[in-house]
Amino acid sequence: QAQLQESGPGLVKPSETLSLTCTVSGDSITDHYWSWFRQPPGRGLEWIAFMYYSGTTNYNPSLRSRVTTSIDTSKSQFSLKLSSATAADTAVYYCAKGSWKLDYWGQGILVTVSS
Amino acid sequence: EIVLTQSPGTLSLSPGERATLSCRASQSVSNTYLAWYQQKPAQAPRLLIYGVSNRAPGIPDRFSGSGSGTDFTLSISRLEPEDFGVYYCQQYAGSVTFGPGTKVDIK
Repeated sequence: QAQLQESGPGLVKPSETLSLTCTVSGDSITDHYWSWFRQPPGRGLEWIAFMYYSGTTNYNPSLRSRVTTSIDTSKSQFSLKLSSATAADTAVYYCAKGSWKLDYWGQGILVTVSS
Repeated sequence: EIVLTQSPGTLSLSPGERATLSCRASQSVSNTYLAWYQQKPAQAPRLLIYGVSNRAPGIPDRFSGSGSGTDFTLSISRLEPEDFGVYYCQQYAGSVTFGPGTKVDIK
């Protein structure tokens, strides 16, 4: 069964780019869609994007202008970049397997946007 | 974008009681793309139900889902102490959206 692990800086300065990577093990990254979500402290879940190794992507319309995603099949990793970060982007970020049926999740990583 | 609302906001029940959680969509949702998740503090969400009524692997049969169109229900037949947490409904219709969640407190 798939195991996912998020990694990246826990602190990002305002106006800089938030960058995260999700490493997948126990499953083939080319066989499934992969997603990013976030959850501000004490609040609900927000979908960011999902992607397929072929290049197919789908982004949350409210974040589309700032989001870039990629997949590195050789490393079994997929990544998220969120530009022009503000305090409103402070959240626990999760990666997950799937596009709408998310059956495996990473443990989450807290990213704080602050100077 | 389809907006999901959930009720009640909080549900306080005793072990052994039945829990009924509601999810209402702003427009019709395909049955294929309606799911429920459980989230406990400091943990990632866990998939419970997909396709309205299909239990994910390893999910006890006390969890069941039903509904169609714009109204969906998650039922927990006999609450266990480990069932506390926040429950989210989620849909996919081009974009993925979640409801605001129902918190289940165990008395």
